Amino acid sequence: EDQVTQSPEALRLQEGESSSLNCSYTVSGLRGLFWYRQDPGKGPEFLFTLYSAGEEKEKERLKATLTKKESFLHITAPKPEDSATYLCAVQGYGNKLVFGAGTILRVKS
Amino acid sequence: DSGVTQTPKHLITATGQRVTLRCSPRSGDLSVYWYQQSLDQGLQFLIQYYNGEERAKGNILERFSAQQFPDLHSELNLSSLELGDSALYFCASSVERQKLTYEQYFGPGTRLTVT
Repeated sequence: EDQVTQSPEALRLQEGESSSLNCSYTVSGLRGLFWYRQDPGKGPEFLFTLYSAGEEKEKERLKATLTKKESFLHITAPKPEDSATYLCAVQGYGNKLVFGAGTILRVKS
Repeated sequence: DSGVTQTPKHLITATGQRVTLRCSPRSGDLSVYWYQQSLDQGLQFLIQYYNGEERAKGNILERFSAQQFPDLHSELNLSSLELGDSALYFCASSVERQKLTYEQYFGPGTRLTVT
C-alpha cells in the first residue's frame, strides 16, 4: 500500500530563517510526487510535480527535490505569507493520489 | 483561482438526510476526483471519474455515490448521513492522458456539517 509520511508535523520559523520540510514515501512504481500548499478552509494549491530521482523544481522561495525514498521542500528566507500547511502526495500505478498529513508552517515577522 | 468550482460552499443538515455536492472541472479537463478532508483523517481520496466513467475508487463508503455527466460536471451524493461525515469535501480535476501523469487542481471545497 502506498504511504506518505511528512515531518515535522509543525514548524515555526522567524522571517528569513530558511528550513526544509521532509516527505518520505513508499509507492509501487512512482508516477509522480506532488507538493501542494493549503490555507485554512481552502482547497490545496498545486506547487510542484517531480517525476524521477534527482529532479529539482523552484518557484520563488520554494525548491522541491526528489530522491528514491523522499522529497524535500526547501524554503529560503521565508516570509509571513508563506505560512500554510504544505502537503505532499504520491501517485503510483494505482493512479490515485495518496496524501501525507502535512506540515503546518508558521513564519513570524 | 484554480478554475474548479464547487457548490454549495457550506451545507448544514441532520443525521439520516441525503445531500448532493456539485463540481465543475477546469475547462478541458476530463478527469474529476473527489476527496474528503477531516481533522483526524487528513485528505482521503474517494473516487475518480474520467470522461463520464468511473476510473478509480478509494475509501468511499457504500452510502456515498458519484457520477460525471456528459458536460463533465460531477456530483457526489451522500446519504444516510452520520455525524462522522462532517468534513470538507473537495473536488479536483486534471487533464490526464493515458499513461501520463498530470497534476490535479482543487476546488474551494464544500464544508458539510451534520448535526
